[in-house]
Amino acid sequence: QQQVKQSPQSLIVQKGGISIINCAYENTAFDYFPWYQQFPGKGPALLIAIRPDVSEKKEGRFTISFNKSAKQFSLHIMDSQPGDSATYFCAAKGGTSGSRLTFGEGTQLTVNP
Amino acid sequence: KAGVTQTPRYLIKTRGQQVTLSCSPISGHRSVSWYQQTPGQGLQFLFEYFSETQRNKGNFPGRFSGRQFSNSRSEMNVSTLELGDSALYLCASSPGTGGRGYGYTFGSGTRLTVV
Repeated sequence: QQQVKQSPQSLIVQKGGISIINCAYENTAFDYFPWYQQFPGKGPALLIAIRPDVSEKKEGRFTISFNKSAKQFSLHIMDSQPGDSATYFCAAKGGTSGSRLTFGEGTQLTVNP
Repeated sequence: KAGVTQTPRYLIKTRGQQVTLSCSPISGHRSVSWYQQTPGQGLQFLFEYFSETQRNKGNFPGRFSGRQFSNSRSEMNVSTLELGDSALYLCASSPGTGGRGYGYTFGSGTRLTVV
C-alpha cells in the first residue's frame, strides 16, 4: 500500500530531447507528489511537486503530469541538457504515512551532448 | 540562508561499534527527518522529529535511534553496527510537520562505511 514504483531504471536521451520518467502509487491517501534530483555526492534536491487536485504543473523545462484515476504521475524534461544528467526520484506523502516521504527506486538519466 | 548541514561527511567504523551522526537544519525549520540511502533498498525513512518529539518512525530495528535538541539540531545513533548499515544517511529539514506541501530540504549526507 505504501509503495511507489518508478520506471525506467535508466534513461539515455540526446541533448534537446524529451526525458520522461513514470511513477505509480497504490495508496490513494497520498496527497503530495514531489520529484527530486540527485547529483553524485549530494543529497536529493526538490525539483517540482504536485497535489492530486491538479493534473499538470509546469516549472521551466520540467512538467509533472498527474493521473489520479490511474494512480500515476510522470516527470517530463523538455529540451534535455547534459547538465540534467542525474538520478531522479519520485516520491509521495500523506495518509497514514504522515510526513514521511515514500520514494520510488530512482532513474539514472544520462543526456548525451 | 545556510542549508542543511550534516557532519561528518564520511565515517568508517568497525562492526559492533556505535556511531552518532549530526544534522543542523535550516534556520527556523523545526522538523528534521532522517533517511537511509543504499543501492539495494533506495531511500528509506528512518524517523522524524518535530519540537524535540519523535513524530514518525520507519521500519528499522531499535539499534537506530535519534533525538532532537531545543535548537532543532538532531542526532541519530546507530549501535552495534552491522556491515549492512553501510549507507548514505540523509537529513532533511522542513518548516513544519505533516502538513500538505511542506518542502523538505536535504543535506549532502554522511557516508557511513562499516568494515
